[in-house]
Parts: sequence; C-alpha cells; structure tokens
Amino acid sequence: EVQLLESGGGLVQPGGSLRLSCAASGFTFSSYAMTWVRQAPGKGLEWVSGIKNSGGNTYYADSVKGRFTISRDNSKNTLYLQMNSLRVEDTALYFCAKSLGGYARGYDYWGQGNLVTVSS
Amino acid sequence: QSALTQPASVSGSPGQSITISCTGTSSDIGGYDYVCWYQQHPGKAPKLMIYDVSNRPSGVSDRFSGSKSGDTASLTISGLQADDEADYYCASYRSSSVVFGGGTKLTVL
Repeated sequence: EVQLLESGGGLVQPGGSLRLSCAASGFTFSSYAMTWVRQAPGKGLEWVSGIKNSGGNTYYADSVKGRFTISRDNSKNTLYLQMNSLRVEDTALYFCAKSLGGYARGYDYWGQGNLVTVSS
Repeated sequence: QSALTQPASVSGSPGQSITISCTGTSSDIGGYDYVCWYQQHPGKAPKLMIYDVSNRPSGVSDRFSGSKSGDTASLTISGLQADDEADYYCASYRSSSVVFGGGTKLTVL
C-alpha cells in the first residue's frame, strides 16, 4: 500500500524558515517524480514544486522561486521542502504527492497534508 | 501565474450528466496533452480522476471522462451520484511548471 506521511509543519513568524518532510512507502520511490501542492484555507489547489526521480531536475512556481527548495533522499525514501523567507501568504496545507510518471502528468497518491501557518 | 478558468459551481440531479469546463491558453492546455482532473471531498486529499486529457487511473469509475478541444478541457460525469458532490480541479503543464484551475463545486441536487 502506497503511503505518504508528511511532517514538519507548524507556526512560524514571517521571515522564518521551516522544512517539510514526506516519508514514502509502498512503491519504488526512486522511480517516480514527486511534487508539493498547497491549499490555503478555504482556497483552491496551488502547485508549488516538482522534482524528477533522480533529484537532478527541480521546478518551482513563480510564487516560491528563490525562497523554497525541493529535494529528495532516495536512500531514505523521503521528499523535502525547505521553506525560507516565509510570508503570511504561504499559510496553507501542504500536500506531497507521487507523480504517475513525469512531474506534470498527474498525481496518483497524496499525503494527508501538513499545515504551515505564517503569522506574527 | 494565472490559474486556469473553471466555473465556480455546477449542479445536477442524480442520474443526470454534467460537464465542467477548464479554459487555458496555447501555452498550457492547448499546447500539451498533460491535462488532469482531481476530485476533492471536504477535509480530504485530492484524488486523481483523469490524466493525460482522457485517461482514467485504475479504480476510477467509467462515469468520469475527459476531453480537450483547443485551449479548453472538459470533465464529464454521467449518471450523477450523491457521492460525486465535491470540488473538482483541472491542472495542466505550463512551461516547466503546473497550473491548477480555481476549482468547481459540484452540487448533486
């Protein structure tokens, strides 16, 4: 059974940093691209970042480019999102998701979501 | 990055069919066959319903179908059921990123 378990969220002040983790199991992690998608309270889905299976190629939404860094450790079956210079508008539920194949083709398994709140 | 355009809401009665549209540009929907649709029930993670414009993942009912014409993609749900009531989001590849639609709330009357 595929499982994605996020951790690392919480309350942080504007300008602060957080690192999200997503522990994967039930599939060959190193064979699939992975992505982060967020959802602000009461709002729609927003794609944040994607990473190819090898980790060599990363992609970002304009809204987070230069502030967020996606990475993965295939030996630990874990996906990460390092979030720096956080803003109030980054407040959201952050989902990690497994790609069907390429990072843009569709996400067939999702984590339960991890809440990040940016507030003073 | 502006979102893809979806109607805010649609509704239908049990047994009927409905279609949700998703309008983009030649830089996203019109330029690639990487259109997906997701269903999201309140408090739950999204569920992939359609990928690559018209393909259904294993386990998704054949009442759900997808299509594309030009810069507009569509999701059709036939034989509406109460459990279909949810938010639906389209998504497309766009220039090394992915863009979602604003979401459509489907109400089953």
